[in-house]
Amino acid sequence: DSGVTQTPKHLITATGQRVTLRCSPRSGDLSVYWYQQSLDQGLQFLIQYYNGEERAKGNILERFSAQQFPDLHSELNLSSLELGDSALYFCASSEGAGGLETQYFGPGTRLLVL
Amino acid sequence: AQKITQTQPGMFVQEKEAVTLDCTYDTSDQSYGLFWYKQPSSGEMIFLIYQGSYDEQNATEGRYSLNFQKARKSANLVISASQLGDSAMYFCAMREGPGIQGAQKLVFGQGTRLTINP
Repeated sequence: DSGVTQTPKHLITATGQRVTLRCSPRSGDLSVYWYQQSLDQGLQFLIQYYNGEERAKGNILERFSAQQFPDLHSELNLSSLELGDSALYFCASSEGAGGLETQYFGPGTRLLVL
Repeated sequence: AQKITQTQPGMFVQEKEAVTLDCTYDTSDQSYGLFWYKQPSSGEMIFLIYQGSYDEQNATEGRYSLNFQKARKSANLVISASQLGDSAMYFCAMREGPGIQGAQKLVFGQGTRLTINP
């Protein structure tokens, strides 16, 4: 158990819908990262937050947004969902912002868009 | 350009044998970190081992060791005395130093599916 929690574990929804994925980092970690794992793209970095502020952006679509709250939990919002958004979404956390420390991953949310 | 290359899509090994999973990387930075993660069929990503670019010794964690050859830009994972529970996908990942734009992210290879046969 990495100490990172994600809810829900599974999500099935329809095209055009909006969903929210939630993540709580390990105790003491200030950075939260979101990754998407799909069969065709592999594991891709989406976005990072550090202590409530957006720190780095990767291949995140405009239909996707995220935020980190004062209690450090984070939410990833996916809207106008398409079939291709079906993937495993991971949240990871680390202590600092930009060093080489290890990122610990949550169990993931498996999203299926029908 | 591919930053992390894992050339073995799949490997089959007998239980109790040692196994080496290959990983080569590409970076122009002097400061970077290399990571290996295990993803069993249940889907979670489990951190295994870390090697910093300035570390002189190869990293070891229990049955896992990292064969770090900086000049060759390779960071192979060695699992000794393999067990049935080692069957999983294994990902090599790199994080570049703080000075690089977007360095905070992990860049992953495509993974190697390891199957341990009894």
